[in-house]
Amino acid sequence: GENVEQHPSTLSVQEGDSAVIKCTYSDSASNYFPWYKQELGKRPQLIIDIRSNVGEKKDQRIAVTLNKTAKHFSLHITETQPEDSAVYFCAASQGGGSNYKLTFGKGTLLTVNP
Amino acid sequence: DVKVTQSSRYLVKRTGEKVFLECVQDMDHENMFWYRQDPGLGLRLIYFSYDVKMKEKGDIPEGYSVSREKKERFSLILESASTNQTSMYLCASSYLGEQYFGPGTRLTVT
Repeated sequence: GENVEQHPSTLSVQEGDSAVIKCTYSDSASNYFPWYKQELGKRPQLIIDIRSNVGEKKDQRIAVTLNKTAKHFSLHITETQPEDSAVYFCAASQGGGSNYKLTFGKGTLLTVNP
Repeated sequence: DVKVTQSSRYLVKRTGEKVFLECVQDMDHENMFWYRQDPGLGLRLIYFSYDVKMKEKGDIPEGYSVSREKKERFSLILESASTNQTSMYLCASSYLGEQYFGPGTRLTVT
């Protein structure tokens, strides 16, 4: 089955700096890669996703890049703010059909220091 | 707005008890999932269902079963609760990949 590795497990940055979280996956058939943000005491929520026919996707201060050859994808957050502090999870899926079963990484605790 | 609800936010049960966790979604989604979340281990898939009465094992199904009699409702059953099943349980439903999570049930087994 799919295996997703996520690094680092914790990341501390100063407000205004950039943050990068990296994930690798094992199944070359995976074609859907979402990122979820979970604030303390809240449920995970999708913040951005990318499909395998795209190399990069951007939404305001967040972007995701995908390298299918190397089987890795990354989340980039620019101009970080204290409200970006949360646990971030990457995931991979073969998608399509009716399943969309996700395999999650173990998460990255991002702390943005004011 | 998609709404996924879970029957309890906090639950305390004794070892050996049968435990039911219920999840309801209001968006007519076909796919539903049960995860457990433990510190440092991320979200691990227990079971999922892609249609009524259909179920598939996830990565950690041992000690759990599920039921999906109606499209909007997906139940997780712990046949005989054990202390190592103390965890946060999250339900989700999905449409075209995006998963919508419930608020979670923090289960403590003593």
